[in-house]
Amino acid sequence: KAGVTQTPRYLIKTRGQQVTLSCSPISGHRSVSWYQQTPGQGLQFLFEYFSETQRNKGNFPGRFSGRQFSNSRSEMNVSTLELGDSALYLCASSYDRPETEAFFGQGTRLTVV
Amino acid sequence: AQSVTQPDIHITVSEGASLELRCNYSYGATPYLFWYVQSPGQGLQLLLKYFSGDTLVQGIKGFEAEFKRSQSSFNLRKPSVHWSDAAEYFCAVPNQAGTALIFGKGTTLSVSS
Repeated sequence: KAGVTQTPRYLIKTRGQQVTLSCSPISGHRSVSWYQQTPGQGLQFLFEYFSETQRNKGNFPGRFSGRQFSNSRSEMNVSTLELGDSALYLCASSYDRPETEAFFGQGTRLTVV
Repeated sequence: AQSVTQPDIHITVSEGASLELRCNYSYGATPYLFWYVQSPGQGLQLLLKYFSGDTLVQGIKGFEAEFKRSQSSFNLRKPSVHWSDAAEYFCAVPNQAGTALIFGKGTTLSVSS
């Protein structure tokens, strides 16, 4: 069965722009969560969606937002990009909750210049 | 609050030697525990997980981990390391709601010949 697909794999944006990242979970999975990975801060939780509802949100500014569609695909958006937003953004797919088992995509490498 | 500590930032092991990566957790009840591996520029792959029952858990690629409640530890082991095991390893626990994973800072494994 197909794994978690994240698009695009690489992205270069300019400070002040906005960006949208996409995640298609494993078929049948209804939970999608997002993480930001940087060398300094490690893996930090952004938010988690289940059946189109945000169940949990990490400690990130309001510039970071997300949504989930009826087919469980999810997008995250970062507005007014800052240099510090440069990171690997990882999406994880779970059947119902990440605590049971989470499958990760390859990630989107975002570089802000 | 739940937390994970991986005391070793970087470990170098000779090929064929045994490996133990340390993980200590803080959790209110019997935790779910995970080990993930990440190759450079890639997503996270689940190596093994502990939910309950037998405290010695077998995973993929010849890895195992032992849950020790008295020491709040979940150390990852492999009897004989291969050069392809060089990667970054993350220990994780879920948050209280089970809607996110909390990761340790990771341990980078280098394998020398």
